[in-house]
Parts: sequence; C-alpha cells; structure tokens
Amino acid sequence: AQRVTQPEKLLSVFKGAPVELKCNYSYSGSPELFWYVQYSRQRLQLLLRHISRESIKGFTADLNKGETSFHLKKPFAQEEDSAMYYCALIGFNAGNMLTFGGGTRLMVKP
Amino acid sequence: DAMVIQNPRYQVTQFGKPVTLSCSQTLNHNVMYWYQQKSSQAPKLLFHYYDKDFNNEADTPDNFQSRRPNTSFCFLDIRSPGLGDAAMYLCATSRDGGDPQHFGDGTRLSIL
Repeated sequence: AQRVTQPEKLLSVFKGAPVELKCNYSYSGSPELFWYVQYSRQRLQLLLRHISRESIKGFTADLNKGETSFHLKKPFAQEEDSAMYYCALIGFNAGNMLTFGGGTRLMVKP
Repeated sequence: DAMVIQNPRYQVTQFGKPVTLSCSQTLNHNVMYWYQQKSSQAPKLLFHYYDKDFNNEADTPDNFQSRRPNTSFCFLDIRSPGLGDAAMYLCATSRDGGDPQHFGDGTRLSIL
C-alpha cells in the first residue's frame, strides 16, 4: 500500500526565514512525487513534481529514495507563500492513483 | 480561462434529497476524478473515469455514483445525502493516469 505522511499540520515562520515542509512516503517501487499547493480561496494546483527537477516560486524538492522523503524547501519565505501544501504520490503499481498526505499549513508572518 | 469548471460553487440540499454536482473540462483529458475533501483533511478519491471506464474506490459509499456522458463532462450524484456528506467536492482531470492533475475550484455541499 502507498502512504504519504506530512508530520507537521502547521508550520509558522517569519518572512525571510528558510522553510522546509517535510514529506515521507512508503511505496514498494519507484513512485512519482508531487507537491500541490492551495492558496486561500483558490483551487488546488500543482507546485512541482520530482521528475521536473525545477524550482517553482523559489521552492525545490529533492527525492531521497534512501530516506523515502520528498521535503519541500525554500531559502527565504515570503508572506505570499502562506498556503496549504500537500505532498502526493503516484504509484504505478497501484492503478496510477494519486495519494495525498494530510497537508501542512504554512503561515509566513511579517 | 478556467480549464476545469465545477458548478455550482456552493450547493445546499436537504437531508435525503438527491443532488448532482457537475464538472466540465476544456483540456480533452482522458481521466476525470472526483474527490471529497472535509475540513482540514486531504482530498479523498471517490472514483475516477479513464475515458469511459469507471473505477470506484473500495471505500466509496454506495450512496455516491458518477456519470461521464462524454469526454468533457462528469457528474457526481449523491442519492440520499446524509449530514456526513457535507464537504468540498473536487473534480480533477489528467491527460493520462500518471500525469499531474488539474483541479477545479470545487463545490461546497451543505446538508440541511
């Protein structure tokens, strides 16, 4: 069974501080990992995916297969980064369905 | 230029009164999904269509049905809504099964 764990429900940082949203997964294979973001009163949208190896809005995430982690990082948080962040996994042995973590609410204080 | 459109944004129905939520897409994606999201929880997949093939999640209540009459539209029917069905319902699409999903704004369902 595939599972995604986000240990922090709420993460509060000050503007300009580094931020790391943790994500751990369990899956017996090579998954595809995503981060989705939901800003206040907006739709859930893709932030980044591990195979793209991109930096989106200053965020990066590296897949660590040894630690089964896909933590989301940004060196300097901005107030507009305040949102709900969901880590998600697609396991190709399990019907290609997206499994979400419980989500972490990031609050960036001025 | 919304690509996944859900109507209505807010729906109020009475306990036990059937309700239908709709979703349309302009992306011509093969896969359409329905999720239920309760307050402070992650979206939970109810079912999905791969083209015309319907796939139900094992723990989706029998009360929930879906229809996909064509590529663009997908409906969520709740036959006899209970108070526990009050939630945000999200529709999403993807080009193929392993591709990123595009979400609509959701329909917030309230049960009186």
